[in-house]
Amino acid sequence: GESVGLHLPTLSVQEGDNSIINCAYSNSASDYFIWYKQESGKGPQFIIDIRSNMDKRQGQRVTVLLNKTVKHLSLQIAATQPGDSAVYFCAERPQTGANNLFFGTGTRLTVIP
Amino acid sequence: ETGVTQSPTHLIKTRGQQVTLRCSSQSGHNTVSWYQQALGQGPQFIFQYYREEENGRGNFPPRFSGLQFPNYSSELNVNALELDDSALYLCASSRGGNEKLFFGSGTQLSVL
Repeated sequence: GESVGLHLPTLSVQEGDNSIINCAYSNSASDYFIWYKQESGKGPQFIIDIRSNMDKRQGQRVTVLLNKTVKHLSLQIAATQPGDSAVYFCAERPQTGANNLFFGTGTRLTVIP
Repeated sequence: ETGVTQSPTHLIKTRGQQVTLRCSSQSGHNTVSWYQQALGQGPQFIFQYYREEENGRGNFPPRFSGLQFPNYSSELNVNALELDDSALYLCASSRGGNEKLFFGSGTQLSVL
């Protein structure tokens, strides 16, 4: 089966610092990756996505890096704010055309004011 | 906030009962996917609907079934409920394919 895992189940950062959330995947055929943020009592919220033909993609305050050599994905959040506190999931599409995403177990980010 | 709406928000059932969960997709989205999220876990793919037909299924038994309607809304039906079916059920819509899924807030199902 697929394996999408996170190195750290919890992460605490000071407000204003940068956050880095890491994710490992095992399927070299995965061609699309996506990060979600989930706050308590809510569904996952789309943050940013990246295709396997890219190494980096930037959004508003967020950057996703993809290292296909070591099958590693990271989400960087600049100037972390209290509103960023949530559980973050990475997900992968196991192959081109697949209709499902495999999610990791999530990392809980806590921002300390 | 996405335009994906789910109902009901919470539901309590007893073992052996049947349940129907509903989802309205975001405007312009023709594909609906259902996921199950157990407490402390990431979402797990149940199935996807496209053009009113099942378009892929995860590792869930046949007692999990669904429908998609001409307006792209969808239902998830679970028969013969088991205690392990207690979870958050998430609906996600997309504009075809399986990219940029937008999730609803989910239905929290408790099976007693």
